[in-house]
Amino acid sequence: KQEVTQIPAALSVPEGENLVLNCSFTDSAIYNLQWFRQDPGKGLTSLLLIQSSQREQTSGRLNASLDKSSGRSTLYIAASQPGDSATYLCAVRQTGANNLFFGTGTRLTVIP
Amino acid sequence: GEEVAQTPKHLVRGEGQKAKLYCAPIKGHSYVFWYQQVLKNEFKFLISFQNENVFDETGMPKERFSAKCLPNSPCSLEIQATKLEDSAVYFCASSQSTGREKLFFGSGTQLSVL
Repeated sequence: KQEVTQIPAALSVPEGENLVLNCSFTDSAIYNLQWFRQDPGKGLTSLLLIQSSQREQTSGRLNASLDKSSGRSTLYIAASQPGDSATYLCAVRQTGANNLFFGTGTRLTVIP
Repeated sequence: GEEVAQTPKHLVRGEGQKAKLYCAPIKGHSYVFWYQQVLKNEFKFLISFQNENVFDETGMPKERFSAKCLPNSPCSLEIQATKLEDSAVYFCASSQSTGREKLFFGSGTQLSVL
């Protein structure tokens, strides 16, 4: 069964710093990987979707990479802002399946 | 609509009562998914639909949980005889025709079973 792990579980950084969030998965037979953010009491907002054939995706200050063979993805956030404070989740979609397997999440706090 | 709409936002039920949650997917999206978030960051897949047909129900506790997506109606998730451990946030999500594209989530329904 696919297991998705995120490290660290929580992270605090001062405003302006660049940071990296990590996601690892045990079964490399994935169709794609998606990064979400969740604000307290809210749903999930999709940030980036990387197909299995891609190495990275970029959106603004966010860059996500995927190394399928090693079962890893990273989310890079440049020049962090207090508004980036949220929980970040990665989720993988298995080949041949439609549902997502979610990671455990990283709670990010950006200190002004 | 342009967003996944879930109602109600909060639902409180006594143990043993029925709970019914609703979800209107984004217009034009053929796939609907239900997820349960029990602990803060643990998402459990329940069921998915392709239009009104069940696509994958491997995550559903079938004894008490049921779901439907009927034409021209919001999708629904119903829990008969709720238990304390059903307390969770239930999220609905939808995606476009292939079902393998970005998932768009609603803001969830917080179910509290007392």
